[in-house]
Amino acid sequence: QKEVEQDPGPLSVPEGAIVSLNCTYSNSAFQYFMWYRQYSRKGPELLMYTYSSGNKEDGRFTAQVDKSSKYISLFIRDSQPSDSATYLCAIEGGTGRRALTFGSGTRLQVQP
Amino acid sequence: DAGVIQSPRHEVTEMGQEVTLRCKPISGHDYLFWYRQTMMRGLELLIYFNNNVPIDDSGMPEDRFSAKMPNASFSTLKIQPSEPRDSAVYFCASSLAGANVLTFGAGSRLTVL
Repeated sequence: QKEVEQDPGPLSVPEGAIVSLNCTYSNSAFQYFMWYRQYSRKGPELLMYTYSSGNKEDGRFTAQVDKSSKYISLFIRDSQPSDSATYLCAIEGGTGRRALTFGSGTRLQVQP
Repeated sequence: DAGVIQSPRHEVTEMGQEVTLRCKPISGHDYLFWYRQTMMRGLELLIYFNNNVPIDDSGMPEDRFSAKMPNASFSTLKIQPSEPRDSAVYFCASSLAGANVLTFGAGSRLTVL
């Protein structure tokens, strides 16, 4: 079993839609949860960062962590064509390894 | 700061040739990571350094791969000899201790024919 599982998509939605992206993880020791966004032929860039269970909001983006279910989500409200990218969840901590483990990424296409 | 700088951006080589990828981390960052990204396997950690010392190289595929960090501002990832299955995008990233946030470079796209 992979440490982090993520549906690769692709996911295609119309402009203005609410998008839900999800990951599950296997090790309950993980403590830090991140979402990175990667545009085509670019490096990943940090989008959201959370430590505890619950919600964190930043503009149109909301990151949600449920440690009891080992489930993390990213919601995008009022999606825009500029949100078209690959979204990667990443986790870290509790394993003694100071490095991020990434999900495989979900490719999102927002249609104008 | 110019961010994490990687070179070359694109490399096309023939099987058996030596490939050297280079990375300049963000000044002041004391962690440096090398990741490889493919469609099949996603983003995989190869090796990471702390204060120029390799900490975990368990992701390095085999002895053909080696990485060095001779000083705080430079790292190399070398593949010798290269094989077609090494074709991927190789990313370098850096971070500050205590900050679980990586800043990635733009990547080096390697094609081995």
